[in-house]
Amino acid sequence: QVQLVQSGAEVKKPGSSVKVSCKASGDTFRSYAISWVRQAPGQGLEWMGGIIPKYGTTDYAQKFQGRVTLTADESTSTAYMELSSLRSEDTAVYYCARQYYYDASDAFDIWGQGTMVTVSS
Amino acid sequence: DIQMTQSPSAMSASVGDRVTITCRASQDISYYLAWFQQKPGKVPKRLIYAASSLQSGVPSRFSGSGSGTEFTLTISSLQPEDFATYYCLQHHSYPYSFGQGTKLEIK
Repeated sequence: QVQLVQSGAEVKKPGSSVKVSCKASGDTFRSYAISWVRQAPGQGLEWMGGIIPKYGTTDYAQKFQGRVTLTADESTSTAYMELSSLRSEDTAVYYCARQYYYDASDAFDIWGQGTMVTVSS
Repeated sequence: DIQMTQSPSAMSASVGDRVTITCRASQDISYYLAWFQQKPGKVPKRLIYAASSLQSGVPSRFSGSGSGTEFTLTISSLQPEDFATYYCLQHHSYPYSFGQGTKLEIK
């Protein structure tokens, strides 16, 4: 069964960084791009950025430029999202989701279970 | 950047009602649009992809239409389990963007 499994909840201090992982099963890494989406409490979904693990190419939402870094390790089929200079407004659930690289119309069919990141002093 | 304007932001309806939710893109996105359903505390679930293709396992009362800049999600006969929040997503070009969401509540 294809799935994306994310790392566990994190509690961080303001100004620190957090790194969330997303491990893929099956052929996801060879054939898919991975996006990261976040959802603050009671708010909507917000796209943060995406990576194509096969090539290591990335794109980021302007809002997060300079603070977010997406990476991928093909040997372990794991994608990572690192967010730095954390502030209280970054408290949210962070999701990874996949998009089929060979058919761009097929996007976000599988999501990770979400990782709660709490930023608090 | 492409902006997605989703309407209404909230609505109430009764079981058996026909419901339509709209997303408008600020520029042509062809058919690169998906619809998601999210229930409280749960992961978003894809209902529709490529604007009008029904996700496997999703009931046929859900349908999507549109292309270019205007898109709709229709639920033909609301069921109790359909009360949730719905989002559209454009994935035509980076940065991708979601609509603001439509919270569908029981009347």
